[in-house]
Amino acid sequence: LAKTTQPISMDSYEGQEVNITCSHNNIATNDYITWYQQFPSQGPRFIIQGYKTKVTNEVASLFIPADRKSSTLSLPRVSLSDTAVYYCLVGDRHSSASKIIFGSGTRLSIRP
Amino acid sequence: DARVTQTPRHKVTEMGQEVTMRCQPILGHNTVFWYRQTMMQGLELLAYFRNRAPLDDSGMPKDRFSAEMPDATLATLKIQPSEPRDSAVYFCASGAPDGGAYEQYFGPGTRLTVT
Repeated sequence: LAKTTQPISMDSYEGQEVNITCSHNNIATNDYITWYQQFPSQGPRFIIQGYKTKVTNEVASLFIPADRKSSTLSLPRVSLSDTAVYYCLVGDRHSSASKIIFGSGTRLSIRP
Repeated sequence: DARVTQTPRHKVTEMGQEVTMRCQPILGHNTVFWYRQTMMQGLELLAYFRNRAPLDDSGMPKDRFSAEMPDATLATLKIQPSEPRDSAVYFCASGAPDGGAYEQYFGPGTRLTVT
């Protein structure tokens, strides 16, 4: 089971690009990397998922180096509404959901 | 915009009472998950179903918690009897048949307070 390590908290300012890095040194061949966002008083929201290189959608980009031992969630031009907790999950998407661990996440605070 | 719905959104009850939480997964999703979130423990998986069949409920205290899916549009989580330590936010999530275990769509949660 690939363990993930991500910063407990990060601060940034409106309009900046924010990069949150997640370490997963023990990632397995079949594992994917998935990121969720959770606003206060709401359920987690699926943001993006990737296996290698780069994935981009309307919300974020996910950069995965060739060795896949880490990944970076990139949020372009953040606003106050991007203040949330961001979770990095690693695992085989076809495996049992019993192995899913959300961890403590990264608490991102955006300032004006 | 398809969403997971949960009722009630808030519940305050006294210790010993039965609590039932309901979830309507996104239409067409065949996997349903129940989570509990507290400040101390974070987000914990309690149970999950695929095609209405329970696949794993090892995260639930068996003596007081039960989860069922009477039909494809309704999942329930019941606590009987409730205790103060059950106070938490309970989330339901659903997943599409081709989405994989890690692509889940969460509801707004039920905030439970047991006094």
